[in-house]
Amino acid sequence: NAGVMQNPRHLVRRRGQEARLRCSPMKGHSHVYWYRQLPEEGLKFMVYLQKENIIDESGMPKERFSAEFPKEGPSILRIQQVVRGDSAAYFCASSPPGGQRLYEQYFGPGTRLTVT
Amino acid sequence: SQQGEEDPQALSIQEGENATMNCSYKTSINNLQWYRQNSGRGLVHLILIRSNEREKHSGRLRVTLDTSKKSSSLLITASRAADTASYFCATDASLEDRWGGTSYGKLTFGQGTILTVHP
Repeated sequence: NAGVMQNPRHLVRRRGQEARLRCSPMKGHSHVYWYRQLPEEGLKFMVYLQKENIIDESGMPKERFSAEFPKEGPSILRIQQVVRGDSAAYFCASSPPGGQRLYEQYFGPGTRLTVT
Repeated sequence: SQQGEEDPQALSIQEGENATMNCSYKTSINNLQWYRQNSGRGLVHLILIRSNEREKHSGRLRVTLDTSKKSSSLLITASRAADTASYFCATDASLEDRWGGTSYGKLTFGQGTILTVHP
C-alpha cells in the first residue's frame, strides 16, 4: 500500500509565478490536510479537505492561496504570485475515512518550495 | 507562547545516553502524538498517547502525559546516532464540521527539539 505521495519534491519559482503542489492520499483515505513548515519551525496547519469540500481553511492565508480535492485526482495546493516568504516545505497528510480517527494522519515526504 | 511547545530546543548527547524531551500545551486535548523528522525529510509517526492514558511504551520510547499540567515527555533510552533528528509533539483539536458533527483533524505542532546523538 503506497503511502502519501507528493509531487514535485522540489519546486523553484520566481517571484510572481504560480506554484501548484500535488498530493495523492493513501489508498482509501478521504481526508487530506496541508501543513506548512518554515525553516527551523514546526508544522502549521493550513487546510483540511474532504472530497470536493473544504472543511477547515482557518490556517490558509486569505489571499493567493487556494486548495482543492476534486472527486477524481489528487489534492492541489495552489499559490498564486509567489513571494519569497512562501519559501517553505509543504506537507500533505491523509487519514482514514469514517471521521473517527482524523488525528491518525500519515504524512507525505513534502514539497520544498523555493522562491527566487 | 504556542500550543505544543517543546523544550529543550536543542539537545546534544552521547550514544548510549538517554534523551528526554518535553512538550507543553494550552488547551484540552483528545490525544498527543510524537513525530520524528530527519533533516529535510517528512514526518514519521512515533507514538500516540490518549488523554486518559498516563504512560505508554514503544521499544526504546517512553511517553508520559500529565493532563493536569498540560505536559508530555518523550524519553528515548540508550540513544543511537541514528536517533539524530528533530522531534515534534502534536495535539489534536476538535472541529465542528459544516454538517454539525464533531470531527478532529487539525494537528497543532510545537517548534520541535533538535536531538543530536554523537557516536
